[in-house]
Amino acid sequence: EVQLVQSGAEVKKPGESLKISCKGSGYSFTSYWIGWVRQMPGKGLEWMGIIYPGDSDTRYSPSFQGQVTISADKSISTAYLQWSSLKASDTAMYYCARVRFGEYDPWGQGTLVTVSS
Amino acid sequence: EIVMTQSPATLSVSPGERATLSCRASQSVSSNLAWYQQKPGQAPRLLIYGASTRATGIPARFSGSGSGTEFTLTISSLQSEDFAVYYCQQYNNWPITFGQGTRLEIK
Repeated sequence: EVQLVQSGAEVKKPGESLKISCKGSGYSFTSYWIGWVRQMPGKGLEWMGIIYPGDSDTRYSPSFQGQVTISADKSISTAYLQWSSLKASDTAMYYCARVRFGEYDPWGQGTLVTVSS
Repeated sequence: EIVMTQSPATLSVSPGERATLSCRASQSVSSNLAWYQQKPGQAPRLLIYGASTRATGIPARFSGSGSGTEFTLTISSLQSEDFAVYYCQQYNNWPITFGQGTRLEIK
C-alpha cells in the first residue's frame, strides 16, 4: 500500500524555526515528485511547492518562494518542509502528497502547525 | 498564474439526487485537471484525474467531463457520505492552482 505518513502536530512561538516531515512507503520514493499544500483554518487548498527526491529538483509557488524550504532525504524516503522564522500567519494544516502524472495521490494525513505567542 | 473558479460556492442537494459542480480555468489547461473530495478533519482524496478518469476505488456515480477551460464533476445519485467539499486542481502549468472549493450540503 502506498502511504505517506507525516510528523505530528506542532505548537511554536513566532520567530522559532520548524521542520516537518513526510515519509513515503510502498513505492519507489525516488521516482515520484512530492508536493506540499497549505490549508489555513476554514480555507481552501494552496500549492506551496514540489520536490523530486531522486535528484532534489525543487520548484516553489511564487507565493511561498523564500518563505519555506522544501528538501528530501532519499536514504530514508522522507521529504521535509521547513521554516526559519515562523509567523502567526503560518498557522495552518500542511499536507504532503505524491504526484503521479500531475494529480496528487495519495495524501499524507496532515500536520497541524500552530504559531502563537 | 492560472486562476481556477468553482461554482457554486455551496450546493444544496437531497440524497439520491444528482449534483453538478463546475470548474472554470482562466486559460486552457487541456485535460490536466483533477477533482478532490475533502471531508471535515480529513485529508483531500483524489476522485478524478485527466478531467474524466476515476481514481482507483472511486464509485462509478462520480464522473468528470470537460477540457480546455470548462470542467464538470457530476455525482449521479448522492449518498450520505458524498456531502463534503470538492476542489478542482489544474496541473497543466506551474504554479499548480486549486479552485476555492464547492461545499456540497444536504438539502
